[in-house]
Amino acid sequence: GAVVSQHPSRVICKSGTSVKIECRSLDFQATTMFWYRQFPKKSLMLMATSNEGSKATYEQGVEKDKFLINHASLTLSTLTVTSAHPEDSSFYICSARRSGRATGELFFGEGSRLTVL
Amino acid sequence: AQTVTQSQPEMSVQEAETVTLSCTYDTSENNYYLFWYKQPPSRQMILVIRQEAYKQQNATENRFSVNFQKAAKSFSLKISDSQLGDTAMYFCAFIGAGSYQLTFGKGTKLSVIP
Repeated sequence: GAVVSQHPSRVICKSGTSVKIECRSLDFQATTMFWYRQFPKKSLMLMATSNEGSKATYEQGVEKDKFLINHASLTLSTLTVTSAHPEDSSFYICSARRSGRATGELFFGEGSRLTVL
Repeated sequence: AQTVTQSQPEMSVQEAETVTLSCTYDTSENNYYLFWYKQPPSRQMILVIRQEAYKQQNATENRFSVNFQKAAKSFSLKISDSQLGDTAMYFCAFIGAGSYQLTFGKGTKLSVIP
């Protein structure tokens, strides 16, 4: 099956610093990747859709200057949380859709837990 | 807009027994995909089963099967011979055939009791 890897799986940072999370599709090309945020015991909340070679599309209420997304290649998307604050602490998950496949299936990364002190 | 509803926040089942998780959805589209994803304590989202709306036959994957009722917009998941490793959050999800965006339900926390 298709594999999506996220790194780091856990990160702790100080308030005011920036943190970058990587999402890689290891064995397939992904024109589109998605970034979600998940609060404890809640469902996944779509933050933005990352398109290779173009600007990300953000969901309503998500600050694009706060959550910078770069999809520089067909196998890598990055999410940078800028000037992190404690309220940004959360579990962030990425997913990828295999290019050219119309099965609808998305493949998920392992998730990254961000803790902002 | 599509919506996915999971009306059971929590469920429990005895090991080796059968349990059914419910899911309903609302859409005006005729062609779409439905999924059940499992999220164990490790938090990794794992695809359990997929159903294509144009297929009348219910999908089956080993101990997991669905009851897909297109007219009723219902998509329940049956887990047979429940195992301790089935303990997880289960999310029902919908995606339109021409769409990139997956819509999730709120999830059902399933606990398998030894």
